[in-house]
Amino acid sequence: DQQVKQNSPSLSVQEGRISILNCDYTNSMFDYFLWYKKYPAEGPTFLISISSIKDKNEDGRFTVFLNKSAKHLSLHIVPSQPGDSAVYFCAASEEGAQKLVFGQGTRLTINP
Amino acid sequence: DTAVSQTPKYLVTQMGNDKSIKCEQNLGHDTMYWYKQDSKKFLKIMFSYNNKELIINETVPNRFSPKSPDKAHLNLHINSLELGDSAVYFCASSQGAGQPHEQYFGPGTRLTVT
Repeated sequence: DQQVKQNSPSLSVQEGRISILNCDYTNSMFDYFLWYKKYPAEGPTFLISISSIKDKNEDGRFTVFLNKSAKHLSLHIVPSQPGDSAVYFCAASEEGAQKLVFGQGTRLTINP
Repeated sequence: DTAVSQTPKYLVTQMGNDKSIKCEQNLGHDTMYWYKQDSKKFLKIMFSYNNKELIINETVPNRFSPKSPDKAHLNLHINSLELGDSAVYFCASSQGAGQPHEQYFGPGTRLTVT
């Protein structure tokens, strides 16, 4: 039973355009959400996060949106750059649960 | 200056063997984790230690035994390896047991069991 799902295994975007990566979750007890970025042969690296008390968090070119009623979050990257090509993982945690639950990742390819 | 390191990076072994993967973090974090990334690419937590104490054990076969000699190290020993153990294993660390957010990951160990 996957509590965090990323239904698009891959996404291809033109350089300079907006990349939108989506994530859905089923556990209403999740109160913190994160996005990680992973390059081949490396571990995931933290990118951006959002608490359930917010609906938007922005950091430079990266913005995460949270829609609690739909149990949906998205990561927007604008403008997209070739170095953004990587696998992006969505993750979530419950307060006090001391663990992250990850989605299966979306491979983003930025085309020049 | 590597924050979370794992050795070895690649491990190829035969069924039935016993192997260990080592993890070290130099971030001064209190909590360390082991994750398994299976063929479907999901990252699933296996174990978590806080200050050398086990705090999470997620339905993992008891052939897997984590050991934390100090809070900077968390090793994973696997007995009687099976084909299904083939995966990439990631070690991670974070500051604070109640705050699993913003975990820092090692580069992963690709285990292949033949």
